[in-house]
Order: sequence, then structure tokens, then C-alpha cells
Amino acid sequence: EAGVTQFPSHSVIEKGQTVTLRCDPISGHDNLYWYRRVMGKEIKFLLHFVKESKQDESGMPNNRFLAERTGGTYSTLKVQPAELEDSGVYFCASSSGTIYGYTFGSGTRLTVV
Amino acid sequence: QKEVEQDPGPLSVPEGAIVSLNCTYSNSAFQYFMWYRQYSRKGPELLMYTYSSGNKEDGRFTAQVDKSSKYISLFIRDSQPSDSATYLCAIPPSGGYQKVTFGTGTKLQVIP
Repeated sequence: EAGVTQFPSHSVIEKGQTVTLRCDPISGHDNLYWYRRVMGKEIKFLLHFVKESKQDESGMPNNRFLAERTGGTYSTLKVQPAELEDSGVYFCASSSGTIYGYTFGSGTRLTVV
Repeated sequence: QKEVEQDPGPLSVPEGAIVSLNCTYSNSAFQYFMWYRQYSRKGPELLMYTYSSGNKEDGRFTAQVDKSSKYISLFIRDSQPSDSATYLCAIPPSGGYQKVTFGTGTKLQVIP
């Protein structure tokens, strides 16, 4: 089966611009998660979708971040406007229902200059 | 205090060595413990998981949990250059199991 696909793999934008990250989960996986790793820090949870609904968005840093999941399939994470501290690697993961089924994508490396 | 603490390393060992990777955690209510492996420019992949205290073995890998001291370990026997990666301990917080709290990860290099 195809894995979790994220794109772009790398994005460099200027402070104040908008960037949209996309995640295509494994087909049939209802659970989709976004995580982020900023330099030198641990990977941190951002939010969790069950199908198209936000189950837990307690990790979203502020209202500059907007996540959507269209029709319970792919998800987008938009950062608007981007700030320097938003730089990091954004990971998407999907699962069929338990934490043990987590499959991560390769991540999107975001650099805000 | 962080929920999960992990020595970031880096750790460099010769091929064939036994590797010990460790994490401590703060919440005694934690029940599930996981180890992820992350190769460079890739996402983390689940390596092993354990429930409560005790050992779990899978090939050259052994995961160990000591709940009395809130200490979890991953041992790698007969380490290989292909084991060179970052190893992350991960714990789902009590009261919820869908999100995971990660340690910072220990970068391991196995030298041929």
C-alpha cells in the first residue's frame, strides 16, 4: 500500500507570506495527525482529525495555523502569515484506529526567512 | 518538568556493540511506551511498543520498562551500520491515547 505522502518536501518562504502544506494519508485511514519539530526540540503534536472532524487541536500554536481535511481524505495545514519561529519540519501521520498503527510521512521542511 | 526526557546524544559505537538508549518520564499513570526510529530526511517509524513494566524482545531489539523508577530503555544487540538513525521514545499521555508525546531523540551512529 502507498504510504503517507506529504508535499512539498521543502518550502522556503519569506516572513509574512502564506504557505500551505498537504498530506495524503493512507487510503482508508480515518485518523490523521499533524506534528511539528522545530530545531533542537522534540516532535510535538499539533492536531488530530477523525475523518473530516477535528478531534483534538490542543497543540496548534496560534490562530495563524489553519488545518482542514476535505471529505475525510487529504489534509492541508496553512500558515498565514508565516513567522520566523514557524520554521521546522511538519510531519503528518495516519492510522486506522490505534496508536500502534501510526504511519508517518517524510515531512515538509519549512524555512521562513 | 518535561513529560519525557531523553539524552540527545549523539552516540557513536563500533559495529557489533550493544547499544543502550534511555528515557525517563514524569507521570506514573503512563501505561504504554513506544520506541520510534527515524532515518535522516524520513518520518519516524514505530520500532517497538510495550505495555506496563517488563521486557519485550524483537530480534536484536529489546524494550524495557521500569515503572518504579519511570525509566524506559531500548537495547540493540550486535549493532549494525544500518541501525544508524535517531531513536525516539514516545508515550501516549494518560487520559488520551491518540496523541503521542515524544522525547527529543538520541542520534546513534554505528561505525563499521
